[in-house]
Amino acid sequence: DGGITQSPKYLFRKEGQNVTLSCEQNLNHDAMYWYRQDPGQGLRLIYYSQIVNDFQKGDIAEGYSVSREKKESFPLTVTSAQKNPTAFYLCASSISGSYNEQFFGPGTRLTVL
Amino acid sequence: AQTVTQSQPEMSVQEAETVTLSCTYDTSESDYYLFWYKQPPSRQMILVIRQEAYKQQNATENRFSVNFQKAAKSFSLKISDSQLGDAAMYFCAYTSLGGYQKVTFGTGTKLQVIP
Repeated sequence: DGGITQSPKYLFRKEGQNVTLSCEQNLNHDAMYWYRQDPGQGLRLIYYSQIVNDFQKGDIAEGYSVSREKKESFPLTVTSAQKNPTAFYLCASSISGSYNEQFFGPGTRLTVL
Repeated sequence: AQTVTQSQPEMSVQEAETVTLSCTYDTSESDYYLFWYKQPPSRQMILVIRQEAYKQQNATENRFSVNFQKAAKSFSLKISDSQLGDAAMYFCAYTSLGGYQKVTFGTGTKLQVIP
């Protein structure tokens, strides 16, 4: 079955530690996205990538980093520079072009202890 | 910058009744797309419906339809014959066809369906 997966489902981190969230898709999509979801704030774009080896900052990129070495994978690293990292993180992919439907993963809940 | 506003944080509807969720947006673009996404309690987001701005005809998908008013920059979602499975967060979203290629989401409306 084609789809998009995120792991882990729940992640706990101590303050000052970097942590990497995984996102993999087998839909052969060129574009991939990372969103952060907080209560009452909808989805906010962290980073997006339209093609392998290229990515752009979204609206709230500070404290985050990404890589896009393979078409299928778009991992997100939450660094210690992110002041308030506790949130729900959603990864999505789509055929190239933002007017296309985005397919979302099940999300990762990150909690900083 | 484009903004998307959903002014109803929560709404409720009786099963089998009709409900309308509101969305307004701000843009200076003439060509763009609008979306409604559903996020059920499982938190798995799925697309409900999509509207191209250059099409005057309102999009429809089974029990879901939109009322797209381009001049008023309004994009409401109507759910007919509401079912228990419709209970979810609904997000309105906007994207232009320019080079930036990002989607802007509203803050969401939580829909409760009452049996």
